Amino acid sequence: DIQMTQSPSTLSASVGDRVTITCRASQTISTWLAWYQQKPGKAPKLLIYKASSLETGVPSRFSGSGSGTEFTLTISSLQPDDFATYYCQHYNSYPLTFGLGTKVEIK
Amino acid sequence: EVQLLESGGGLAQPGGSLRLSCAASGFTFSSYAMSWVRQAPGKGLEWVSTFSGSGGSTYYADSVKGRFIISRDNSKNTLYLQMNSLRVEDTAVYYCAKDRYSGSAGGDAFNIWGQGTIVTVSS
Repeated sequence: DIQMTQSPSTLSASVGDRVTITCRASQTISTWLAWYQQKPGKAPKLLIYKASSLETGVPSRFSGSGSGTEFTLTISSLQPDDFATYYCQHYNSYPLTFGLGTKVEIK
Repeated sequence: EVQLLESGGGLAQPGGSLRLSCAASGFTFSSYAMSWVRQAPGKGLEWVSTFSGSGGSTYYADSVKGRFIISRDNSKNTLYLQMNSLRVEDTAVYYCAKDRYSGSAGGDAFNIWGQGTIVTVSS
C-alpha cells in the first residue's frame, strides 16, 4: 500500500502569508494526487486534482505542484477563509490513501 | 445541482449491523465510480470502499474487508454500504463521494461529497 506523509501537521500563519504544505508518497504515483480543504463539521472540498489542476471555483491563490513522490500545496496569500485542515490523497491505485492532514491555524 | 445525501447512520452494538444509503442527484449516476470515506472523531480521512461506474468492480480497505459490502442500484441512483460485524473502531462520520471523472479505472479525486452520516458503535 502507498503511504502518504504530510508535513507539517500544524502550521501557524497570518493573513497575507505564503503557506506551503508538503506531501510525500512512499512510492511513485505520477501526478495522481489530490488536495482537499476541510473545515470543522463539514465535508472535505476538492481544491487540486492531478497534482496541479485547479478545481472549478477554487480561488487562484491555491496551487499545486510535484510529480513522482514529492508534492506541494501552496496558498500564495492566506485569507481568513483559508484557516482549515488540508489533506492530500493519492489515486494511483487501490487502496486509496490520505495524508494525516495539516491544520492551518491563525498566528 | 449535483448532490449526495447519506442516511442510515446511528447507534449499533459491537458485532451488530447497519446499512448506509447515499442518494445521488444532478448527474448520470451510473457513469461514475462512487466511494465511501470515513472520519473517526478527531481523526483524518480514511477511504473505505469504491464501486466502479461500469463493470461492477469493488474495492475495500483492509480494515473493512470481509465485513462491509458496497453495492449500488443505478435505477434508484443510490449507493449502499452494508456494515456487518461492527467494531468500536468503526465509529466515524461516513461520507459518500463521487469520482471527478466518469469511467475512471484506477481511482480518482472526489469532487462531490455528501454531508456525512454518523455511525456510533458502542455497548
